[in-house]
Amino acid sequence: GAVVSQHPSWVICKSGTSVKIECRSLDFQATTMFWYRQFPKQSLMLMATSNEGSKATYEQGVEKDKFLINHASLTLSTLTVTSAHPEDSSFYICSARHRGVETQYFGPGTRLLVL
Amino acid sequence: SQQGEEDPQALSIQEGENATMNCSYKTSINNLQWYRQNSGRGLVHLILIRSNEREKHSGRLRVTLDTSKKSSSLLITASRAADTASYFCATDPYTGTASKLTFGTGTRLQVTL
Repeated sequence: GAVVSQHPSWVICKSGTSVKIECRSLDFQATTMFWYRQFPKQSLMLMATSNEGSKATYEQGVEKDKFLINHASLTLSTLTVTSAHPEDSSFYICSARHRGVETQYFGPGTRLLVL
Repeated sequence: SQQGEEDPQALSIQEGENATMNCSYKTSINNLQWYRQNSGRGLVHLILIRSNEREKHSGRLRVTLDTSKKSSSLLITASRAADTASYFCATDPYTGTASKLTFGTGTRLQVTL
């Protein structure tokens, strides 16, 4: 149980285009989902927290207009990187948690390369 | 930065040896969690230890927590080549829906045959 999927697993796009990444909890209802960013050989940095049906809360320094997060249902959250630039190239990982449960379950990650 | 520090940054051992990783953090916590990440993959939850616990075991894993020193350690006994991965500690203040994890800098473990 407690499986989280991400799609796509990797994506290459041209500079200036937008990319959408999906995060799904497959066998539980995720009242809260988190989006992280990880650069090579570095730790995970939290970008934003989203609760189902409400606006995402962004961490300091993360542009909410550039990284659009939608948590439309209890099993799906999406991250859209708008007008992507090469510096947005990174590994994006989502996690999901059910209300009252301490453990977060992580997706396998999406590797984004912006040319 | 609120990010925790892990020590060592990299560790190379031979199969069968024990591996110890340390984590220090800065804020009050409800629990501390350890995760493993294989290269280019997502994170796998290993173990959670609560602030009122001092030691916890899970298979070949042993975790200790010293809240007075704001530190934790992860011991992997009888290591295997398959244990090669990056290991991260993460602290959780757990304030309900607003709670979020803060990850340490990670330890890259290499287990050789």
